[in-house]
Amino acid sequence: EVQLVESGGGLVQPGGSLRLSCVASGFTFSQYEVNWVRQAPGKGLEWLSYISTGGTTIHYADSVKGRFTISRDSAKNSLLYLQMNSLRAEDTAVYYCARDRPYMDVWGKGTTVTVSS
Amino acid sequence: DIQMTQSPSSVSASVGDRVTITCRASQDIGSWLAWYQQKPGKAPKLLIDAGSSLQSGVPSRFSGSGSGTDFTLTISSLQPEDFATYYCQQANSFPLTFGGGTKLEIK
Repeated sequence: EVQLVESGGGLVQPGGSLRLSCVASGFTFSQYEVNWVRQAPGKGLEWLSYISTGGTTIHYADSVKGRFTISRDSAKNSLLYLQMNSLRAEDTAVYYCARDRPYMDVWGKGTTVTVSS
Repeated sequence: DIQMTQSPSSVSASVGDRVTITCRASQDIGSWLAWYQQKPGKAPKLLIDAGSSLQSGVPSRFSGSGSGTDFTLTISSLQPEDFATYYCQQANSFPLTFGGGTKLEIK
């Protein structure tokens, strides 16, 4: 079964850091580009970041540029990461990884990040 | 950045109704548009890509049309499982952007 599974979410204080992971199975992850997308409580979808197959092309939304870093593990070809620093209350959301084809055809179930003191 | 504007933001309809949701891009995106369905507590599901290409397994009552700046998602005969929130998304250029969503509710 083709799937993505996110992990690493949790409660963090403002200004703190968190690293999210996304593990792929059922397909050759290294052959696909991937995105991170989030959804704040009761709000719509917000694209955050994109990484190409080889990791050489990366894009970020302005809202996270300079604070978040996307990466993929070249040794473990099925892993994607999102390093989140300087977290703010407005970063509270469900975070999804999504395969890019270039449309987002496979999504994980999401991991919840809560930024609160 | 390309802004995506969906309308209406919510709509009430009955089973069997025909419903149309529109999405307008702030600049020409060709056919680089996708439609997603999201149910409460679930991840979005890709319904249509490239403006009008139905994904495998998606019922044929769903259809998409449009190009350039104006797009529509039509559900020809609403079924109970179609009540959800729908989003459009442009894939023409970064940053990728989503419409604000259309919540389809039961009348």
